[in-house]
This record gives sequence, structure tokens and C-alpha cells, in this order.
Amino acid sequence: AQKITQTQPGMFVQEKEAVTLDCTYDTSDQSYGLFWYKQPSSGEMIFLIYQGSYDEQNATEGRYSLNFQKARKSANLVISASQLGDSAMYFCAMRELGAQKLVFGQGTRLTINP
Amino acid sequence: GAVVSQHPSWVICKSGTSVKIECRSLDFQATTMFWYRQFPKQSLMLMATSNEGSKATYEQGVEKDKFLINHASLTLSTLTVTSAHPEDSSFYICSARRASGRAINPRETQYFGPGTRLLVL
Repeated sequence: AQKITQTQPGMFVQEKEAVTLDCTYDTSDQSYGLFWYKQPSSGEMIFLIYQGSYDEQNATEGRYSLNFQKARKSANLVISASQLGDSAMYFCAMRELGAQKLVFGQGTRLTINP
Repeated sequence: GAVVSQHPSWVICKSGTSVKIECRSLDFQATTMFWYRQFPKQSLMLMATSNEGSKATYEQGVEKDKFLINHASLTLSTLTVTSAHPEDSSFYICSARRASGRAINPRETQYFGPGTRLLVL
């Protein structure tokens, strides 16, 4: 069963607009961590933001925020005031407590139009 | 921040040859390193988890005799693609987790290398 689901293969957004990238997950663990990574065309994986399952507040990192809805098992990434440099692949990932590995979603290709 | 390097960044080889890819943690010790494979426009697929001083744990469907992993030190893991064929052409990415005496903490971030593009002709 797919543990991380990103339902948006591609997103097109006008520069300066906010964009929400969807991510839902499936786990029976109570303790887990959710991550978002950005992968530009160069291929490097850039860590953006982390949300722990017990964190009471939604994580924020600059223009990135995570809309964490635990009951719905969703961890959507919100990018405010999008920039041309935000164009990239974005991956949602999860690591369950006790597991070493990250499990990635299928990714969303975000294109920012000028 | 923690830096992970990969070498080479890209490689072109003939079918049947073996290719070795190195993954190094430059400014921290990594008890665990991970090897991923990524085909164009697809997600990262974990191939194996490599723990320093022990045998790698391979994911289901990954041929351990074809993808040899060695994690001989706390700063170096190598992936060798043996007898490479065109279908092995892919983007290979490693990541490293810091050595820690604590229990595994979900907050611990993996640090990714820049990746290696392999093209087998």
C-alpha cells in the first residue's frame, strides 16, 4: 500500500501567488515525521521543512509552511509569494519512529510562470 | 549544515563494465547511509540501507549481487553497479544520517548527496 500519496503530478502557478502542494500519508504509528524536499533540475535534494506527529503547531520555515491535519493524515506544503526559482519537483516523505528509511511520495512538478 | 558528496557526478560506461559510486559525509560521521535510484520524472526509490561495519539491507526486488554496497567507514559508502546494462542507466542518490548514541529520532534529517547520473551504452 502506498504510504505517501501526492495526487498532483503537475502544478502551474503565477509568480507571487501562493501555492499548496498536497500530501496524504498512511501509518498506524503514533510517532512519525513528515518531510518536504525540493528537487531542482540539477537533481540535488533540498530539505525544506519538517513536521513531527506530536508537534502542536504547524511548521514554518520562511516562505514554507506545512498545513498539518493529523486526523485527515495530510501534510500539505504551502509556499507563499512564489518565485520563479521555486520551479522544481517537490517530494513529501515520511519516516516512522524506529524506521531508518524515508518513504517518498510520487512528487509534484511545480512550474512558476512569470 | 552537513555536507554529503558523491563521486563521480556523472559517468558514461559501456555495457558489461562495473561502475563504482562513492558517497562521503564530509563534516560528520554517518552510521547509516542510504542509496536511492531515480528514473526520469519518477520518485526516489530506496535500494538499500547501509550501516557502517555491517552488511547492507536491500529493499525487495533489488539484486544485492548486482548492486554491491560497502560501508567501510563512518564517512564513506560505495555502490558498485556490476556488469552494468542500459537498463541500469539512472540517477543514483545517496543520503547519510548522523551518528548518534540516542534512539532513532524522527527529527533527524537525512543529508543528501548531489547524485550521480549513470548512462550505460
